[in-house]
Amino acid sequence: NAGVTQTPKFQVLKTGQSMTLQCAQDMNHEYMSWYRQDPGMGLRLIHYSVGAGITDQGEVPNGYNVSRSTTEDFPLRLLSAAPSQTSVYFCASSYSARGGMETQYFGPGTRLLVL
Amino acid sequence: DAKTTQPTSMDCAEGRAANLPCNHSTISGNEYVYWYRQIHSQGPQYIIHGLKNNETNEMASLIITEDRKSSTLILPHATLRDTAVYYCIVLKTSYDKVIFGPGTSLSVIP
Repeated sequence: NAGVTQTPKFQVLKTGQSMTLQCAQDMNHEYMSWYRQDPGMGLRLIHYSVGAGITDQGEVPNGYNVSRSTTEDFPLRLLSAAPSQTSVYFCASSYSARGGMETQYFGPGTRLLVL
Repeated sequence: DAKTTQPTSMDCAEGRAANLPCNHSTISGNEYVYWYRQIHSQGPQYIIHGLKNNETNEMASLIITEDRKSSTLILPHATLRDTAVYYCIVLKTSYDKVIFGPGTSLSVIP
């Protein structure tokens, strides 16, 4: 299994540009989520999904959209990038069983710089 | 969801036990305590979790106080590869919004 994969690894955007961060997992996990990580603030949840066709907002959802058309993929879209969205983005997935957060796997991250 | 507080940073000598504390005074009866760590530039990695009883696995031990208001993660023989940021979080179920605080930056010193 490849686990959780994220593309791209690095990206530089100009203010106002749009882009999609890709996340895929091959473990048949139902739960997937996106976090951003900024210095001194730990990880903050952006959006999450408990299964295909179902998404919900996390702590900091503004400026981001998600969709979950398949179990495997959970893309994160920035419609109009802003410098405040400069961050490292992590995608994660886990098995859906209750109390199963110990099986949560994180991707390697995408480093985004918005100029 | 309960919030957690952890020291910002800690040092530990290589080969010694590293004891990382976490306060979660508002934890509910059905909330688990989870510990993750993040080595520089990598995604977070699950370490251990518990509800009431102390837990041990190949990576660490988790000691939860009887009132469940605090816990301690113990790395019995710290190595240089254990240098990382350690996060203590509380969760009800796997569908919880997983909220990470700033964590504790552990430096293992030769």
